[in-house]
Amino acid sequence: DTGVSQDPRHKITKRGQNVTFRCDPISEHNRLYWYRQTLGQGPEFLTYFQNEAQLEKSRLLSDRFSAERPKGSFSTLEIQRTEQGDSAMYLCASRGAGTEAFFGQGTRLTVV
Amino acid sequence: RKEVEQDPGPFNVPEGATVAFNCTYSNSASQSFFWYRQDCRKEPKLLMSVYSSGNEDGRFTAQLNRASQYISLLIRDSKLSDSATYLCVVSHNAGNMLTFGGGTRLMVKP
Repeated sequence: DTGVSQDPRHKITKRGQNVTFRCDPISEHNRLYWYRQTLGQGPEFLTYFQNEAQLEKSRLLSDRFSAERPKGSFSTLEIQRTEQGDSAMYLCASRGAGTEAFFGQGTRLTVV
Repeated sequence: RKEVEQDPGPFNVPEGATVAFNCTYSNSASQSFFWYRQDCRKEPKLLMSVYSSGNEDGRFTAQLNRASQYISLLIRDSKLSDSATYLCVVSHNAGNMLTFGGGTRLMVKP
């Protein structure tokens, strides 16, 4: 499978715990995005990488959220001290030289 | 005000109908425009890019009005399989940033 891969697909965690999600983009795609989506809403931008550089970060992203893309390939998104309001689908997308962004199937986070 | 706005719908139409969605954007520096389709509990997928002169792909027609800052999507001869949420996407910042609208839900009924 050469598409965007996200792991895990589902995560249930207790409030206050830390969680980390992984995204493997399409090989050689230099641009990588993280979005959050809740039911009935469109994807909400979180952060953007070009290669290993984090070029954009949403003002909505609190200090509890951090993302990395250490070698310009896979990326991780960590949420510290999770809150119930963090429950959402976390989507990763990658883009190469073309205009189309390809999305992974997402990680569904439930904070209980 | 949201940067990209869409009527959430739902639009309920019979098979064979023609339906149109509009999307407005607030950033006049926006450079690229897209329509994505998202099926229930699935990831968004590109439906079509939107070009300045307007473009057509089979039953789908997309148009851009820069002066009024809106884009549209027209679906002719609706099929049951067209039922989905249609997301308007606008790009600025040298084409790297992608901002999504809230989506318009379409339900095509037999």
